[in-house]
Formats: sequence, structure tokens, C-alpha cells
Amino acid sequence: EVQLVESGGGLVQPGGSLRLSCAASGFTFSSYWMSWVRQAPGKGLEWVANIKQDGSEKYYVDSVKGRFTISRDNAKNSLYLQMNSLRAEDTAVYYCARDQRGFRESRLDYWGQGTLVTVSS
Amino acid sequence: DIQMTQSPSSLSASVGDRVTITCQASQDISNYLNWYQQKPGKAPKLLIYDASNLETGVPSRFSGSGSGTDFTFTISSLQPEDIATYYCQQYDNLPRYSTFGPGTKVDIK
Repeated sequence: EVQLVESGGGLVQPGGSLRLSCAASGFTFSSYWMSWVRQAPGKGLEWVANIKQDGSEKYYVDSVKGRFTISRDNAKNSLYLQMNSLRAEDTAVYYCARDQRGFRESRLDYWGQGTLVTVSS
Repeated sequence: DIQMTQSPSSLSASVGDRVTITCQASQDISNYLNWYQQKPGKAPKLLIYDASNLETGVPSRFSGSGSGTDFTFTISSLQPEDIATYYCQQYDNLPRYSTFGPGTKVDIK
């Protein structure tokens, strides 16, 4: 059974940092792109970042470029999101998702339960 | 950047009704479009990929169509368990970005 379990969320002050983790199981983690998607309270979904199987390609939404870093450790079946210079508008539930990305295809077919990040003083 | 719009933003329908949601891209995205269902307090769930392909295990009352800039998502016979917000999502190939539509909230009348 595919499972994705996020952790690391919490309350952080503006300008602070937080590192989210996503533990994957039930599939060959190293064979898949992975993504982070967030959802601000009462708002819609926003794709944040994704990373290729070997970490050689990474992409970010403009609003987090230069502040967030996506990474992965295939030996530990884990995905990470390092978030620096956090702002109030980064407050959201952060989901990790498996990305069935190939040539001319992509779909987020499994999602974690999400972890809440609150940026507030 | 590609922008996605959805309409309506919300709708109310009766059990058994046919429900249609539209999604429009700001430029041609071929069939690079997926649909997700999100129930309150839950993670999104993939329903349709590549505009018209039904994800494994998803009931056949859900369907999708379209290509280019205009896409449609349909529930052929609304069921009480379909109460949720539905999102379209486009993806690029290079660069490998993605964008979600603003969502459509579906309620039972």
C-alpha cells in the first residue's frame, strides 16, 4: 500500500525556517518524481515544487523561489522541503504527493495527509 | 505563466442530477490536464488524468473531456458522497511546472 506521511509542520515566526519531511513507503520511491502542494486555510490548492527521481531537476512556483528548497534522500525514501524566510502568506497545509511524471504526462496519484505550517508572531 | 479558470465557483444540485464543471487555460495546454476531488479535511484525490482518462478505481459516473484551452468535467448522476470541491490542474513539460484551477464547490440541493 502506498503511504506518504508528512511531518515537521508547526508554528514559526515570520522570517523563520522550517523543514518538512515526507516519508514514503509501499512503492519504489527512487522511481518517481515527487511534489509539494500547499493549501492556505479556506483557499485552493497551490503547487509549490517538484523534484526528479535523482534530484537533478527541481522546479518551484515563483512565490517560493530563492526561499524554499526541495530535496530527497532515496536511500531513506524521504522527501524534504526546507523553508526559509517564511512569511505569513506561507501559512498552509503542505501535502507531499507522488508524481506520475513521464514524457508528456503527469498526475499526482497519491497524497499524504498534510502537515500544517503556521507563520505568525 | 499559464492561468487556469474554473466555472462555476460553486453549484448546488440534486441527487441524480448531471453536473458539469468547466476549466479554461490561458493558452493551449493540449490534454495536459487532470481533475481532483477534495472532501473537507482530506487530501485531494485524483479522478481524471490527461483530460479524459479515468483513474483506476474511480466510479464511471465521473468523466472528463476537452483539449487545447477548454475542458469539461462531468458527474453523470450526482451522489451524496460526491459533495466536495473539484480542482483542475494543468502541467507543463518544460519547465515542469503545474497550476491548479481555483476550484468548484459542489453541494447537494
